[in-house]
Amino acid sequence: GDSVTQMEGPVTLSEEAFLTINCTYTATGYPSLFWYVQYPGEGLQLLLKATKADDKGSNKGFEATYRKETTSFHLEKGSVQVSDSAVYFCALTAHTGGFKTIFGAGTRLFVKA
Amino acid sequence: SQTIHQWPATLVQPVGSPLSLECTVEGTSNPNLYWYRQAAGRGLQLLFYSVGIGQISSEVPQNLSASRPQDRQFILSSKKLLLSDSGFYLCAWGPGQGETPTQYFGPGTRLTVL
Repeated sequence: GDSVTQMEGPVTLSEEAFLTINCTYTATGYPSLFWYVQYPGEGLQLLLKATKADDKGSNKGFEATYRKETTSFHLEKGSVQVSDSAVYFCALTAHTGGFKTIFGAGTRLFVKA
Repeated sequence: SQTIHQWPATLVQPVGSPLSLECTVEGTSNPNLYWYRQAAGRGLQLLFYSVGIGQISSEVPQNLSASRPQDRQFILSSKKLLLSDSGFYLCAWGPGQGETPTQYFGPGTRLTVL
């Protein structure tokens, strides 16, 4: 079945460092891919998305490119801030009835001042 | 604009007691609705999803149930809570067929079973 694998955390970076969180997926067909972010004690928020191969999603300085050849959707940011500290979830949704979404296990990011 | 509400925000219940968590969505029609559970420090587990009134699909066998009595209302219930039911419960909605399947999450309910 469909699955999402993302790098284990926690990831600890200093402010202004470059961030990469790896995400790979297994799916039949052509799923949509997402990154969600969860701040402490809150629900998940959509960070960015891509719906087809070679699409680049971007938001708040974060970017991820839908790579079908490597089945990857790695999250990157050029310069992280303390306020980026959160848990990041990679997810895919297959275009079947109900639009079930498969989430990765989440990667916790700590950014130190 | 669309909004999603969940209540209560926190709940402490004894083992064996009943449970009812409610989720409502505003500003959209015929949404797909979802219940997830997130154990401490863990990822999301899909519990139930619904594509319409009275239509519920269960993803994992457990002592929980879900109902959708109205188009934008989704209820998670249990007759007798177990210790293992503790966790952070998230409701989400998403558009129906034909649109990008983004999910929008509520603020969550933190349930502690003692």
